[in-house]
Amino acid sequence: EDQVTQSPEALRLQEGESSSLNCSYTVSGLRGLFWYRQDPGKGPEFLFTLYSAGEEKEKERLKATLTKKESFLHITAPKPEDSATYLCAVQAAGSARQLTFGSGTQLTVLP
Amino acid sequence: DAGVIQSPRHEVTEMGQEVTLRCKPISGHNSLFWYRQTMMRGLELLIYFNNNVPIDDSGMPEDRFSAKMPNASFSTLKIQPSEPRDSAVYFCASSPWPSANEQFFGPGTRLTVL
Repeated sequence: EDQVTQSPEALRLQEGESSSLNCSYTVSGLRGLFWYRQDPGKGPEFLFTLYSAGEEKEKERLKATLTKKESFLHITAPKPEDSATYLCAVQAAGSARQLTFGSGTQLTVLP
Repeated sequence: DAGVIQSPRHEVTEMGQEVTLRCKPISGHNSLFWYRQTMMRGLELLIYFNNNVPIDDSGMPEDRFSAKMPNASFSTLKIQPSEPRDSAVYFCASSPWPSANEQFFGPGTRLTVL
């Protein structure tokens, strides 16, 4: 069974204090790993897809990286508007298009 | 593009009543997914369709849940009869597979069953 574990569950940062969120996964063949951002009362917003170990993608202050067992979402010099829950999901090679989600990391950036 | 559209945004009903949630996917997307999100279980896939055909409904919790996709621009998720444990946020997502694997989510319907 595919499993996704995210840590920490919650993270409080001061504005400008860089950090990383972790997503560990076990899957029978990875088709893709996805990062989403979810604001309160809204649906998850797509951020990145990573397909193979060593791949990296960036968007503004966010950079996602992938190894064979985990992914990191690095946040550089965060701002209060980066506060949200960040969700990680995996798509297994044999599962067509289903995504298995982790429970998320709730990030709070204080001004 | 308007994105995925869901209605209603909020639904409060009494136990035993029928509930119908609606979704309009992004135009041109041929895959549609229904998810449920709770604090205890997070985001769970209920069912997904490809080209209007249900592919996998193994996540549907009970026979009280049913989903249809009569055409490429509309899907419904029905709960009959509803129970308090069905209270959750229900999301619809669509994907342009095979051109891309990403799923794009709607704003969700917050369902409260009293």
